[in-house]
Amino acid sequence: DQQVKQNSPSLSVQEGRISILNCDYTNSMFDYFLWYKKYPAEGPTFLISISSIKDKNEDGRFTVFLNKSAKHLSLHIVPSQPGDSAVYFCAATDNAGGTSYGKLTFGQGTILTVHP
Amino acid sequence: SAVISQKPSRDICQRGTSLTIQCQVDSQVTMMFWYRQQPGQSLTLIATANQGSEATYESGFVIDKFPISRPNLTFSTLTVSNMSPEDSSIYLCSVIGQGGQPQHFGDGTRLSIL
Repeated sequence: DQQVKQNSPSLSVQEGRISILNCDYTNSMFDYFLWYKKYPAEGPTFLISISSIKDKNEDGRFTVFLNKSAKHLSLHIVPSQPGDSAVYFCAATDNAGGTSYGKLTFGQGTILTVHP
Repeated sequence: SAVISQKPSRDICQRGTSLTIQCQVDSQVTMMFWYRQQPGQSLTLIATANQGSEATYESGFVIDKFPISRPNLTFSTLTVSNMSPEDSSIYLCSVIGQGGQPQHFGDGTRLSIL
């Protein structure tokens, strides 16, 4: 049962344009969502997060949107840069029994390629 | 954020052997976790490493196969026991610092079993 899904395995974007990465989830208990970026031979690096009490969170070029009714979130990168080329994972968690959001459930990842 | 060091970074092992992976953090952290990323797959949580008590394992993972130690607030080990080719994966540790989320990850251990 894939509770977090990233249906696009890959995305190709021109430098300077917007990149939009999508993520869907099925577990209505999830209340905290994160995006990670992963380069080859490195661990995932945290990018941005959003709590379920918000519908938008912005940090520089990165904005995450959350649509709770649709159980959908998206990551917008604008403007996209060649250095953004990496695998992007969305992850979700819930504060089940006060466990401090320990367990992350990850999507399959989307390979983003930004062309110069 | 905490700096996480994992050793070894990669290894090639023979079927039936065991390997212990170390995770060292440069500061005391509240929670430590071990994940696995099989080829072409997403990251899956193996267990939560609890300081001073037994690890809490996720469904599908057992202590006999993946024994974990956490002797203090900055260090943990994961052992992959009696390895088979299906255990070929990237194994990652992650931590949540004293300030709470988000989880930060080490660079992982790339394990290949022949």
